[in-house]
Amino acid sequence: AQKVTQAQTEISVVEKEDVTLDCVYETRDTTYYLFWYKQPPSGELVFLIRRNSFDEQNEISGRYSWNFQKSTSSFNFTITASQVVDSAVYFCALSEPSGSARQLTFGSGTQLTVLP
Amino acid sequence: DVKVTQSSRYLVKRTGEKVFLECVQDMDHENMFWYRQDPGLGLRLIYFSYDVKMKEKGDIPEGYSVSREKKERFSLILESASTNQTSMYLCAEGQGAPYEQYFGPGTRLTVT
Repeated sequence: AQKVTQAQTEISVVEKEDVTLDCVYETRDTTYYLFWYKQPPSGELVFLIRRNSFDEQNEISGRYSWNFQKSTSSFNFTITASQVVDSAVYFCALSEPSGSARQLTFGSGTQLTVLP
Repeated sequence: DVKVTQSSRYLVKRTGEKVFLECVQDMDHENMFWYRQDPGLGLRLIYFSYDVKMKEKGDIPEGYSVSREKKERFSLILESASTNQTSMYLCAEGQGAPYEQYFGPGTRLTVT
């Protein structure tokens, strides 16, 4: 069975600090997809990024970057120079093509608070 | 842009009432999902549908049913609401690989 673990329940940083959100996954498949979502206080989950298991190249988008390491089954998310607007709950998720491929398995989320 | 709408942002119902939560997507996508979100538990899948009139159980279907009569609309039904169904309910839609999903704003349901 697939599983996603976000060990950090809550993180608090001061504005302009860098912060890394950890995500560890378990899967038996060699082909799978990983996702990050952001849930601001308004409640709507916002899709941030998707990676497939064959592409370990790290990705950077503005202040956001993602580090995918198959050797440690991790897909960590770093926010550089954090801002108050980054305060949200962040979810990591996993999808496998085998079985019921349409499902996403979500981690329990990390509440990030950025203080001014 | 993908648009997923849910019928209510906030809903208060009494124990034993029948509750309908509706979700509409405007992308003509195949797959639609209902999740519930509770503190510390993340999102848990209740039901999903990959075509009109088709449905599959997720991880926690007990106490819920669904209906998909039209491609754009997916309804979640609580036949007899109970207090342990007080939660945030999120609808999502998606199409094909690699299966990212797009979410509606959520309905916060309180059952008293």
